[in-house]
Amino acid sequence: AQKITQTQPGMFVQEKEAVTLDCTYDTSDQSYGLFWYKQPSSGEMIFLIYQGSYDEQNATEGRYSLNFQKARKSANLVISASQLGDSAMYFCAMSPRASSGSARQLTFGSGTQLTVLP
Amino acid sequence: EAQVTQNPRYLITVTGKKLTVTCSQNMNHEYMSWYRQDPGLGLRQIYYSMNVEVTDKGDVPEGYKVSRKEKRNFPLILESPSPNQTSLYFCASSLAGRGEETQYFGPGTRLLVL
Repeated sequence: AQKITQTQPGMFVQEKEAVTLDCTYDTSDQSYGLFWYKQPSSGEMIFLIYQGSYDEQNATEGRYSLNFQKARKSANLVISASQLGDSAMYFCAMSPRASSGSARQLTFGSGTQLTVLP
Repeated sequence: EAQVTQNPRYLITVTGKKLTVTCSQNMNHEYMSWYRQDPGLGLRQIYYSMNVEVTDKGDVPEGYKVSRKEKRNFPLILESPSPNQTSLYFCASSLAGRGEETQYFGPGTRLLVL
């Protein structure tokens, strides 16, 4: 079974500063993927960034980077230069990186509500 | 535009009245899935489908049915809704290869069962 833990129910950050959202995971799979999604108040789920368990470099997508520490089973999201539009709920999720024909269940954490202050 | 669509977006119904939430994707994805989101619990998978006519239960399938008769459509059926099925529902789809397999989500359906 897989489990995702997000220990920060809410976070505040000043506009233009960087913020780190924590995510730890537990899995017995050798190969897996880690994802971060953003959910603004409008409700949609927006894919932000992906990290494969065998990727040697940390993933980056614009202002988003994923601080992947495999030994610690952590996959923290770093948002640089925060903007007011970054205020949203952020979910960490993982999925087994299965071969064709296997399930691709995404397991989600409970989320972190980020508020960017002007 | 590549997208996952859901209808309706908002629905208020009464206990026991059968309803269907539709989901459609235009990306030729093999894999489709339904999730429900409840406060403090994140998203939990209800059902998923690997391809046409192939469906299986997720973590919380009780009270739900699905079908996958066409590749693009994956409706969620509540035969006899109950108040504990009040939730925000998401449909998602992805490719079924060995790659990144990012799941793309629909806009969500807010359901209230009275």
